Formats: sequence, C-alpha cells, structure tokens
Amino acid sequence: KNEVEQSPQNLTAQEGEFITINCSYSVGISALHWLQQHPGGGIVSLFMLSSGKKKHGRLIATINIQEKHSSLHITASHPRDSAVYICAVNSGGSNYKLTFGKGTLLTVNP
Amino acid sequence: SQTIHQWPATLVQPVGSPLSLECTVEGTSNPNLYWYRQAAGRGLQLLFYSVGIGQISSEVPQNLSASRPQDRQFILSSKKLLLSDSGFYLCAWSTIGTAGRTQYFGPGTRLLVL
Repeated sequence: KNEVEQSPQNLTAQEGEFITINCSYSVGISALHWLQQHPGGGIVSLFMLSSGKKKHGRLIATINIQEKHSSLHITASHPRDSAVYICAVNSGGSNYKLTFGKGTLLTVNP
Repeated sequence: SQTIHQWPATLVQPVGSPLSLECTVEGTSNPNLYWYRQAAGRGLQLLFYSVGIGQISSEVPQNLSASRPQDRQFILSSKKLLLSDSGFYLCAWSTIGTAGRTQYFGPGTRLLVL
C-alpha cells in the first residue's frame, strides 16, 4: 500500500464545476504539498500546509491532521485547470524527502 | 528572483552510453537540491538530494550517481545507461530549514534510452 493515496485517479468536469481531489496518507508528516503538473511536464508547487486551510485564487487546500487527509478544491473550474494534481508529504522525520501520490488527472471541458 | 535551469530538455541515448544531466539554480544561496525521476505511468520518485557541496544522499539503489561540484549546480550521471533509465528527470531546490519547505521544480529532461 502506498503511503500517499489520491482519489480519484481521473476526473472529468465541465467548465464552471466545483472540483475536489482527495489525498490520504498513512504516516506522520511535517508538511503536505499540492503540486500541479502541466501537460508539458513542468511542475508548479501550489500549496504547502501543515494544518488548517490555505486559499490562492480559485484554489483551496485543507488538511485534517487527525484524519490524515487533505483535499484540494477548485472553484469555477476552467479548461486551463486541466493538469495532473499531485499530493506529496514530508514524512519520517525528514524535512527533505517528499513521498508522492500517483496524481489525479483533471480534464475540464469547455 | 530565483530560477532553476535544466538541460538538455530532451535526450535520446543508446543503451550502454554515458549520461550527464545538469541543473543550476540562480538567485539563492546554499539551497537543498533534489533529483527526481518520473517513469511512464508512475509517480515521482526521489533519486538523490544534497544539502551542501559534495554532500549527496541516495534514496534508491540504481544505475545513476549525482554530484554537486558547486553550491548551485547539481549533476546526474550514469556510466552506462539501461533501458529502465528512460523517464522524465526533474531537478528541484528548496531553502534549508527545520520544517517542510516548498520545493521549486525545473522544467525537466525527457530521457529515452533505446
């Protein structure tokens, strides 16, 4: 079993829909990261959080440490949001090593 | 502002040939540096990380090695490539610290070993 599990693996939405991507982890962590990988391969860090909630534009990330669960929400989704969204955690006492989920492929249709 | 460069962007190499991928960071000092690989259909995997010049930690046994000859330069090498070395290689950097740090990724190198 992977230490970081994401769901769903694939998600197709219509423009304007509210999107939720989930991430569950099985180890103690010091931080959780949400990353976005564009079709060309480039990766952008969206959020790093260790508690509570963060918001940036139409993106919201939440984490529940007790339940070992995080969600990434996209409000008013747009075709340009189409990408792979990756959850990763700093675990095992390491401030350096990231353990990654396999990613969620989001496709937003116009 | 900080910038991270990787080259080449794409590379096609025969099995058994050597490899050298270079990563450089601008606009920051003493960064942590990382090499990741993303194989087809699989998630990202940490290969090496470095907390300083000449300091390299390997995460998985493999056909690859890494070096950090200068503070902001990180090199991934192989003496003889295998077919299984094909993948998308990403370099990343972060600041040092006692808590998790945001990692900033380079544009990546697509390597195809034939």
